[in-house]
Amino acid sequence: DAKTTQPPSMDCAEGRAANLPCNHSTISGNEYVYWYRQIHSQGPQYIIHGLKNNETNEMASLIITEDRKSSTLILPHATLRDTAVYYCIANPTYNFNKFYFGSGTKLNVKP
Amino acid sequence: DAGVIQSPRHEVTEMGQEVTLRCKPISGHNSLFWYRQTMMRGLELLIYFNNNVPIDDSGMPEDRFSAKMPNASFSTLKIQPSEPRDSAVYFCASSLGSGGVNEQFFGPGTRLTVL
Repeated sequence: DAKTTQPPSMDCAEGRAANLPCNHSTISGNEYVYWYRQIHSQGPQYIIHGLKNNETNEMASLIITEDRKSSTLILPHATLRDTAVYYCIANPTYNFNKFYFGSGTKLNVKP
Repeated sequence: DAGVIQSPRHEVTEMGQEVTLRCKPISGHNSLFWYRQTMMRGLELLIYFNNNVPIDDSGMPEDRFSAKMPNASFSTLKIQPSEPRDSAVYFCASSLGSGGVNEQFFGPGTRLTVL
């Protein structure tokens, strides 16, 4: 499975867009990019996933570069409740979703 | 649906004691995952089941750890004997499918402290 690299922490002002980058330069053609987040002491929560096209749902948007070597998770209007650790995961569909969560990015949303 | 249910939420025990963690997956989900989270090692997958059958237990740290899934609505993770280094938060998750793109739903976790 491809290794992902994320910055350890980021700050964002409340109400502004939060753009969280992820590098997955060794991703293979059958690996999806997943994003999960973990709010303090809770279980991780699914956010979004994509293969090569940009995706949007009620929580966030996922922008994947054309070469698929990196992606960005966008929270369009961050709130204080979005403060969490965000995990970017690359995983092939046949691998029973055996996720490697890594260290993630701690997003601090500030008033 | 109540989501993934784990019990107990907190467990404090002494070294050498047996510990049993319990999980009830979301009804209709056929994949179940046990994770462990510590500050040092982050979130690690211990074992996962598909249709009640263990598929991969390569993440189980040692023979003191065992997991069972006797039916589709119940799983246990047992540590015998427990050691202080087993102190961690243990999460159970379930998903609808065994392959493809399936969201994993996590329970609230069990915080285990071994003294």
